[in-house]
Amino acid sequence: DGGITQSPKYLFRKEGQNVTLSCEQNLNHDAMYWYRQDPGQGLRLIYYSQIVNDFQKGDIAEGYSVSREKKESFPLTVTSAQKNPTAFYLCASSIEVGGPYEQYFGPGTRLTVT
Amino acid sequence: AQSVTQLGSHVSVSEGALVLLRCNYSSSVPPYLFWYVQYPNQGLQLLLKYTSAATLVKGINGFEAEFKKSETSFHLTKPSAHMSDAAEYFCAVSDYSSASKIIFGSGTRLSIRP
Repeated sequence: DGGITQSPKYLFRKEGQNVTLSCEQNLNHDAMYWYRQDPGQGLRLIYYSQIVNDFQKGDIAEGYSVSREKKESFPLTVTSAQKNPTAFYLCASSIEVGGPYEQYFGPGTRLTVT
Repeated sequence: AQSVTQLGSHVSVSEGALVLLRCNYSSSVPPYLFWYVQYPNQGLQLLLKYTSAATLVKGINGFEAEFKKSETSFHLTKPSAHMSDAAEYFCAVSDYSSASKIIFGSGTRLSIRP
């Protein structure tokens, strides 16, 4: 089955710790994305990547970092610089950025920082 | 620049009633339009998309949407609501530019009354 996997489903961390969220896809898609979702708000784009070894900041990149060393993997690190990291994080992929290409989403990781 | 507005953050209908979720877009070029559904604590799933073929687009789970250029709208409908339709629905827009990302609306939460 092709799709996107995110792990873990739930993640708990203490304030001041960096944490890395995993995202893997086996759809052979070039583009990958990270979104943050807060209650009552839509999706906010954190970072996206059009090809391996290249990525661009989205609307709320401060306090986050990413890497794209392999086509199928796009991990997100939430650093201690992120002021309010508790949220639901969604990873997605698409054939290309933009155009008629829909995004496919993973099941999400709910991060709680205390 | 594209944008999308979803009218009504919360819509409640009775089981068996018509579902109508409203979406208006803004785009300087012909758009591609999408509707996604999100069940609690899950990722988003594509319901349907418009890519400039037929203006009436049929999707999964009995949903359909009609592209109306004159009204810059892409409203989502379903003739008869089921309890299983209770979820969050997102409208999204992109355009032909490869550098253009999908822009998501803020979402509409659909509740179904027994």
